[in-house]
Amino acid sequence: TQLLEQSPQFLSIQEGENLTVYCNSSSVFSSLQWYRQEPGEGPVLLVTVVTGGEVKKLKRLTFQFGDARKDSSLHITAAQPGDTGLYLCAGGAGGTSYGKLTFGQGTILTVHP
Amino acid sequence: EAGVVQSPRYKIIEKKQPVAFWCNPISGHNTLYWYLQNLGQGPELLIRYENEEAVDDSQLPKDRFSAERLKGVDSTLKIQPAELGDSAVYLCASSLGAGTYNEQFFGPGTRLTVL
Repeated sequence: TQLLEQSPQFLSIQEGENLTVYCNSSSVFSSLQWYRQEPGEGPVLLVTVVTGGEVKKLKRLTFQFGDARKDSSLHITAAQPGDTGLYLCAGGAGGTSYGKLTFGQGTILTVHP
Repeated sequence: EAGVVQSPRYKIIEKKQPVAFWCNPISGHNTLYWYLQNLGQGPELLIRYENEEAVDDSQLPKDRFSAERLKGVDSTLKIQPAELGDSAVYLCASSLGAGTYNEQFFGPGTRLTVL
């Protein structure tokens, strides 16, 4: 069974601060995705990383996939109240489990004005 | 392009009653997923369909849960009878399937409250 552990589980910061969310596993994933979910809505895909060591930037968000494809991080620069939400990482399996995503338990981010 | 549509958005029932949720995926998406999500937690897969075929239902509590995707498009998830512990958000997602990196697109979910 593949498991993904996210940390921290809760993060409460002031507007303008930087933060990093981590996603770790003992398993190798063929892809790693980050989603953001707002209350009352479904998760929305932010990014997919597929190559070990890959770094992707989306405005103030920077995503990194570990060299061994077992871990990932999400870094937000100068957080804004609009960044508030539940951040989920999800690992994509290959082989006979192709099509299956394993989700982490999520990080609840609150950015105070 | 329309996203994943789910209905109802909210449902309140008493325990032991039946309940059904409906999902219409994004047009052209062959793979459909049903997830259960508890408050502040990540989604947990219940069942995955490739067209009409349920290819992964290992996490579906089959004594009370059932699902169908008869024509390979929309899908229904049913609970009968519902228990207090079934209170959660039920999410439907779809993806293009083979040839993609499992990128999934989610509906808004149905929030179920069992009293």
